[in-house]
Amino acid sequence: NAGVTQTPKFRVLKTGQSMTLLCAQDMNHEYMYWYRQDPGMGLRLIHYSVGEGTTAKGEVPDGYNVSRLKKQNFLLGLESAAPSQTSVYFCASSTLTDTQYFGPGTRLTVL
Amino acid sequence: GNSVTQMEGPVTLSEEAFLTINCTYTATGYPSLFWYVQYPGEGLQLLLKATKADDKGSNKGFEATYRKETTSFHLEKGSVQVSDSAVYFCALLTGNQFYFGTGTSLTVIP
Repeated sequence: NAGVTQTPKFRVLKTGQSMTLLCAQDMNHEYMYWYRQDPGMGLRLIHYSVGEGTTAKGEVPDGYNVSRLKKQNFLLGLESAAPSQTSVYFCASSTLTDTQYFGPGTRLTVL
Repeated sequence: GNSVTQMEGPVTLSEEAFLTINCTYTATGYPSLFWYVQYPGEGLQLLLKATKADDKGSNKGFEATYRKETTSFHLEKGSVQVSDSAVYFCALLTGNQFYFGTGTSLTVIP
């Protein structure tokens, strides 16, 4: 039982490059979330999903896209990376009324 | 709207000191309340939670009581240890979204 895993752990991109962050959970949770964490700003919700095939925008969705083709996976895409997207990205999963379980994070730097 | 406000840090305490980290919230309906802890280089982990008014969550010597009348969920510990050094996040769950505070950094010195 690995919980929530994220790949990659670290990545450096140049402005304009694209990439996909992968989140996987083995707890059969319906809900999955992508957050970014920036100094002094706590966690901000980017996108979330309430089930396979569904996604919704969070607080800061611009510049990101997501997909939930399988229940256990939630992908976060950056089509054209910008320096403002330098951050630590966390994935989480949960049932509706219970605790969120977080992955270890992906540290992304955009030059 | 929904939001969480927690005291700003950083907080520095000596070992065995008493800890309080304040958290207040604004929410529609009847949210569940959480405290999460983040150790350096790691993701957030659940510390404790409370799902209704007057509930007390507790874990590892930490406690917090859901106070509806003051819309608060303050975190307390009677005697902190060096190993408690981390960032603490207050959060609420309402509907299908979590809302997090900005985090309070705690450093405990021997």
